[in-house]
Amino acid sequence: AQTVTQSQPEMSVQEAETVTLSCTYDTSESDYYLFWYKQPPSRQMILVIRQEAYKQQNATENRFSVNFQKAAKSFSLKISDSQLGDAAMYFCAYRRNNAGNMLTFGGGTRLMVKP
Amino acid sequence: KAGVTQTPRYLIKTRGQQVTLSCSPISGHRSVSWYQQTPGQGLQFLFEYFSETQKNKGNFPGRFSGRQFSNSRSEMNVSTLELGDSALYLCASSPRQGFDEQYFGPGTRLTVT
Repeated sequence: AQTVTQSQPEMSVQEAETVTLSCTYDTSESDYYLFWYKQPPSRQMILVIRQEAYKQQNATENRFSVNFQKAAKSFSLKISDSQLGDAAMYFCAYRRNNAGNMLTFGGGTRLMVKP
Repeated sequence: KAGVTQTPRYLIKTRGQQVTLSCSPISGHRSVSWYQQTPGQGLQFLFEYFSETQKNKGNFPGRFSGRQFSNSRSEMNVSTLELGDSALYLCASSPRQGFDEQYFGPGTRLTVT
């Protein structure tokens, strides 16, 4: 079974600074997808960024980028120029390819942004 | 387009009762997945439906069941409620299986007393 681990229950960052959230996963599969989802307080979960395992290039979406280390099974999220609106729970998630839409989530990291 | 909607948003039930939660996916989406979110266990996959067929099922007891209708709306049912079933139940939809992104609803907050 696949497992996803987020070792940082809480992180804080100063506004405009950069923060990195960690995620490791365990799988015997070679074809899969990794995701970072954001869940703001009392608001809906939204996709931040995705990475296909077969792609060596790290995904980037504006201020959000990932460091995908397939051999190490590591998938960290870097948030640059942090904004107050980035404060939320962040979940790392794994999905095996050709296995439907079932996501396996990590335990989450609560990110606080200090003004 | 309207987003994923879930009804009711909040629910209080008594131990031993049963409950039905509803999820309306984004128009045109045919895949619906359900997740349970609790402080202790985090986010756990319940089941996934596509074109009225259950495609995947998580590791939950048989008290948890679901179905999907021809219009892609989905319901999940929990029978013989236990205190531990108190959770936020999230529904997510996507156009098809294996799609890059799933769109989550606001969730139904179930409290079992």
